[in-house]
Amino acid sequence: GQNIDQPTEMTATEGAIVQINCTYQTSGFNGLFWYQQHAGEAPTFLSYNVLDGLEEKGRFSSFLSRSKGYSYLLLKELQMKDSASYLCAPLDSNYQLIWGAGTKLIIKP
Amino acid sequence: GAVVSQHPSRVICKSGTSVKIECRSLDFQATTMFWYRQFPKQSLMLMATSNEGSKATYEQGVEKDKFLINHASLTLSTLTVTSAHPEDSSFYICSAIGSGDGNQPQHFGDGTRLSIL
Repeated sequence: GQNIDQPTEMTATEGAIVQINCTYQTSGFNGLFWYQQHAGEAPTFLSYNVLDGLEEKGRFSSFLSRSKGYSYLLLKELQMKDSASYLCAPLDSNYQLIWGAGTKLIIKP
Repeated sequence: GAVVSQHPSRVICKSGTSVKIECRSLDFQATTMFWYRQFPKQSLMLMATSNEGSKATYEQGVEKDKFLINHASLTLSTLTVTSAHPEDSSFYICSAIGSGDGNQPQHFGDGTRLSIL
């Protein structure tokens, strides 16, 4: 079957760094997306990885290891506005996004 | 770029009413649009995938006669919830991708919060 495993909730301090891990099992693989979703809002696109390695985009970086079925999202210099859910969504062989429940990140002052 | 507009943002109506939700791609041609439903604290659930000019493909367990999807143009898809009941109350979100590879990011509308009394 298809499965996504992320921590349900994480807490971090403003200005710090946090890493949100994701392991996945899919029928085929065509890359992996990370989305941010604030409470009551639709998701917004953060990053896409299809090759192994680290993709850096400002304060956010995303890493992928295809052989391990593993990805992480790294958030640096945390700001209060980063409080949101972070969704790891791999793309299966049919180019369909597989969604998990996401990780709720709570930023404390 | 890649802006998707969804309307209305919130609907409150009586049981038995039909509700239409519009999803428009404002600055690109959306060859494929997706309709999701999300209950509180749960993951996005794909309801259906629609390609312009063809019938939507519904996910297992989604009633196609209850959730009517029309994708008549490259910039507009509509979802009509027919004879809505309280259990249909949810957050409905559309997303769209343009032509090209299937690994493009989906761009989401702002969602529609539907409350059936």
